[in-house]
Amino acid sequence: EAQVTQNPRYLITVTGKKLTVTCSQNMNHEYMSWYRQDPGLGLRQIYYSMNVEVTDKGDVPEGYKVSRKEKRNFPLILESPSPNQTSLYFCASSPLNLAGNIQYFGAGTRLSVL
Amino acid sequence: SQQGEEDPQALSIQEGENATMNCSYKTSINNLQWYRQNSGRGLVHLILIRSNEREKHSGRLRVTLDTSKKSSSLLITASRAADTASYFCATDGSGGGADGLTFGKGTHLIIQP
Repeated sequence: EAQVTQNPRYLITVTGKKLTVTCSQNMNHEYMSWYRQDPGLGLRQIYYSMNVEVTDKGDVPEGYKVSRKEKRNFPLILESPSPNQTSLYFCASSPLNLAGNIQYFGAGTRLSVL
Repeated sequence: SQQGEEDPQALSIQEGENATMNCSYKTSINNLQWYRQNSGRGLVHLILIRSNEREKHSGRLRVTLDTSKKSSSLLITASRAADTASYFCATDGSGGGADGLTFGKGTHLIIQP
């Protein structure tokens, strides 16, 4: 089944404790992206990647890191989480073809930073 | 960055009625998409309309695009309880950038049985 898989689905952590949210897609998509969703603010892009070893900042990259060492994986790293990073996070991928940038989303990771 | 803005923010209608949501954006686009999100879940792509198209249909969905007004509408006909969800428009800019889609804040649709 074609899908984008995020783990964990739920995470509660404390300020300053490094964490990684994994994202994997099995559709051989070139493009991958991370978003955060907050009430009243909609989805905001954190980082995106056009292909292996190519990553770029989105609209709200502060406090986050990403890597793209393999085409299928795009982990989101919070080196020192803070309470303002409490949010619902989504990973998405896209084939980036002439059909348009249709994105396929993971089920989400709900993060609480205490 | 450009952003779609949906209107209304929330909409509650009776099952069987039609639901219309609007989206406005600020700059030129290649295409505009609509996505649906069930509570707390990932977004699911519904339909894409290109900048040179004015109307597109998919099942009970009808999307219009007016590039002169920089606006789009999503019509769901004969609504069902299962249509209860949040709906987002997303724009794919024509500036040549590769930063993907920009999403609006969404319309929360409630279908009352």
